[in-house]
Amino acid sequence: DVKVTQSSRYLVKRTGEKVFLECVQDMDHENMFWYRQDPGLGLRLIYFSYDVKMKEKGDIPEGYSVSREKKERFSLILESASTNQTSMYLCASSPIDWTGGYGYTFGSGTRLTVV
Amino acid sequence: AQKVTQAQTEISVVEKEDVTLDCVYETRDTTYYLFWYKQPPSGELVFLIRRNSFDEQNEISGRYSWNFQKSTSSFNFTITASQVVDSAVYFCALRFSGNTPLVFGKGTRLSVIA
Repeated sequence: DVKVTQSSRYLVKRTGEKVFLECVQDMDHENMFWYRQDPGLGLRLIYFSYDVKMKEKGDIPEGYSVSREKKERFSLILESASTNQTSMYLCASSPIDWTGGYGYTFGSGTRLTVV
Repeated sequence: AQKVTQAQTEISVVEKEDVTLDCVYETRDTTYYLFWYKQPPSGELVFLIRRNSFDEQNEISGRYSWNFQKSTSSFNFTITASQVVDSAVYFCALRFSGNTPLVFGKGTRLSVIA
């Protein structure tokens, strides 16, 4: 069964900590994405990557960075966690797609609480 | 501007009622794809359907049906004879050619009450 796996389902961190959210996919997909989901705001794109070591900013990249050293792994980094980064974080992947016809496969999400 | 609007934030229905979730999109592109995803309480978004901009045929899959109308830029989703297991957040999304990310609506939370 093809999968996108997020390393933690729930995470509690302190303000100012450096936080790593890990995502691994086993489908050999080129594209990987990080979204955050907040009530009333839907899904907002933080960063995406279409190849190893490549990254593109999404709609809300401030306060975040990403790393993609291997094709199957895409990490989201909160450099100095703040309470306004408390959210559900969703990782997704897709094949490279010049037609627009592929949807995403999503992970189960990481619910991050910053205290 | 590329945008997806799901005007209904929350809907509550009694089991066995029919319910329609609205999705309106904006784009200047002629080639695009529309998607619906379901997010149950477990959190993982599950793909339901994809429709390309050149195919306006309606689609039915069991109790689910989708009505795509380019004239009104809408891609509405109807659940017939709703069940408690249909309770979830439903997202409509839009994707263009050129390896671009999906653009999501804000979602509609559907609660089906027994």
